[in-house]
Amino acid sequence: DTAVSQTPKYLVTQMGNDKSIKCEQNLGHDTMYWYKQDSKKFLKIMFSYNNKELIINETVPNRFSPKSPDKAHLNLHINSLELGDSAVYFCASSPPGYNSPLHFGNGTRLTVT
Amino acid sequence: SQKIEQNSEALNIQEGKTATLTCNYTNYSPAYLQWYRQDPGRGPVFLLLIRENEKEKRKERLKVTFDTTLKQSLFHITASQPADSATYLCALQTGANNLFFGTGTRLTVIP
Repeated sequence: DTAVSQTPKYLVTQMGNDKSIKCEQNLGHDTMYWYKQDSKKFLKIMFSYNNKELIINETVPNRFSPKSPDKAHLNLHINSLELGDSAVYFCASSPPGYNSPLHFGNGTRLTVT
Repeated sequence: SQKIEQNSEALNIQEGKTATLTCNYTNYSPAYLQWYRQDPGRGPVFLLLIRENEKEKRKERLKVTFDTTLKQSLFHITASQPADSATYLCALQTGANNLFFGTGTRLTVIP
């Protein structure tokens, strides 16, 4: 009965590779997000999609490309991985409404060597 | 520049005492403020939301205050238990669907 699920949980890869992280939510929410949490536990928004349309794109290198095939899925593709991309990436979703709380997945720990 | 600071990176308290965590912000005008709990290896979990026109919100042993003059929110856990040990994050909402998180406070409740 997982509400927001991400795969994989761990991802270890070498610099220069391309990788994808998948996210699915079964809550029926319209809005999905990607957040990055660095080694100091600081959680920063990267992207937000509402009904498959991009609505927030914070200052993120264009090596990061989100893709939303439908409103229940938001995948994150990363090209030419760099050491500094190592972090935990969280997917989240929220229902409609200005003050809706976010429901997070359990994260994907990406390690770039 | 905009900042959201949580008073300390780590806070240790004795079981049964009240834990008080602080969230201060600058150069934001949030309409809402949310608090989340994060356990190791897990995503943040929503706890409470307070609006700018609300002074205080309670939920069981949790209490949140919001002072827009001081630009501060306090998060209290009364009768703390070891199970309350976790990292607590405050988050400010300014525009639609845009939530900015603080740096978090790691709370340890000592039995």
